[in-house]
Amino acid sequence: DAKTTQPNSMESNEEEPVHLPCNHSTISGTDYIHWYRQLPSQGPEYVIHGLTSNVNNRMASLAIAEDRKSSTLILHRATLRDAAVYYCILRDVVTYKYIFGTGTRLKVLA
Amino acid sequence: GAGVSQSPSNKVTEKGKDVELRCDPISGHTALYWYRQSLGQGLEFLIYFQGNSAPDKSGLPSDRFSAERTGGSVSTLTIQRTQQEDSAVYLCASSDDPGVVNEQFFGPGTRLTVL
Repeated sequence: DAKTTQPNSMESNEEEPVHLPCNHSTISGTDYIHWYRQLPSQGPEYVIHGLTSNVNNRMASLAIAEDRKSSTLILHRATLRDAAVYYCILRDVVTYKYIFGTGTRLKVLA
Repeated sequence: GAGVSQSPSNKVTEKGKDVELRCDPISGHTALYWYRQSLGQGLEFLIYFQGNSAPDKSGLPSDRFSAERTGGSVSTLTIQRTQQEDSAVYLCASSDDPGVVNEQFFGPGTRLTVL
């Protein structure tokens, strides 16, 4: 199973953009890049996903490197409610499984 | 609408006892997943149900763990002869699209403590 590598923790000031990096050097051609986040004492929730092109939705943007070996989740204006653990996950479109890493714990400072 | 629900929210048991954890997925979702999250760790895949197909049990850590899904809806995860290392939060998720997007909706989890 392809693996992802993320920093253990990051800090951001409120109202500022946050760039959360993820390395996935062993990604295969059929792997989709998914991001979930887990708020304290809750189950994870979907944030965004992509394959090759950059993606935007109401929650965030996903920037994918041209060689697909890395990606960056972008929160355009961090709020206190964005404090969570963010997981970058590779999902093979054939096998459906998610392999979660340990994620990045984002702390947002008021 | 109602999300994924799990019960109980907390379970404390003694080593060697059996426990059953329940998951009620979102109505109409055909896919159901169980994960385990140990303290400070990411999620560990346990088992996956899709429609009427045989479940993928490849993530179950030992034969003490089993799961079933009745009528394509409610699922029960059973742990027999619990051990202290089974202590974790057990999360259930469901999805109506096991394809490309496969957005999984997670329940709040059951926190299991084995004394």
